[in-house]
Amino acid sequence: QVRLVESGGGVVQPGGSLRLSCAASGLSFTMYGMHWVRQAPGKGLEWLAFIRYDGSNKYHADSVKGRFTISRDNSNNKMYLEMNSLRAEDTAVYYCASDLGGYFDWGYFDCWGQGTLVTVSS
Amino acid sequence: EIVLTQSPATLSLSPGERVTLSCRASQSVSSYLAWYQKKPGQAPRLLIYGASNRATGIPPRFSGSGSGTDFTLTISSLEPEDFAVYYCQQRSNWPPVTFGGGTKVQIK
Repeated sequence: QVRLVESGGGVVQPGGSLRLSCAASGLSFTMYGMHWVRQAPGKGLEWLAFIRYDGSNKYHADSVKGRFTISRDNSNNKMYLEMNSLRAEDTAVYYCASDLGGYFDWGYFDCWGQGTLVTVSS
Repeated sequence: EIVLTQSPATLSLSPGERVTLSCRASQSVSSYLAWYQKKPGQAPRLLIYGASNRATGIPPRFSGSGSGTDFTLTISSLEPEDFAVYYCQQRSNWPPVTFGGGTKVQIK
């Protein structure tokens, strides 16, 4: 059974930094591209970033480009989101999700974690 | 960036009723469209991808149709566990991937 578990959320001041982790199990992690998606309180879903199965390509949404960085460690079945220069509008539940297409980067979100809450507030 | 518009914003229905949700794209996304179900406090769940393909484990009462700019998610007979928010998502020429604003299906 596939399990994705996010961690690292919490309360941070505006301008601060946070690193989120996503630990994968029950999944051939090295075969799957991975995404980060968030949902702000009372809002819809927003795609943030994607990293290919081997880390060779990374894409970030314009809203976080230059502030957030996606990475992965295939030896430990983990993915990360480094978040800098945080703003109040980054307050959200952050989800990691595996790409449905495996090696082929389909851009659909198959398995999801339960999310970790990030609150940016002074 | 491709904008997805979902309608209606909210639907009030009873169990057993048939549901049709709409998603319209600002430009053609071919068949590169998915639908997700989201309940409070839970992770989203992939229902449909490629406009009409049911994801693994999704019951047949869920079906998707459409291509180009107009798409539909149909639930043939609402079960109590289907009351949730539904989002469409496109991946045509991604990145970026974009989502619609969601349709809430609530109990009448």
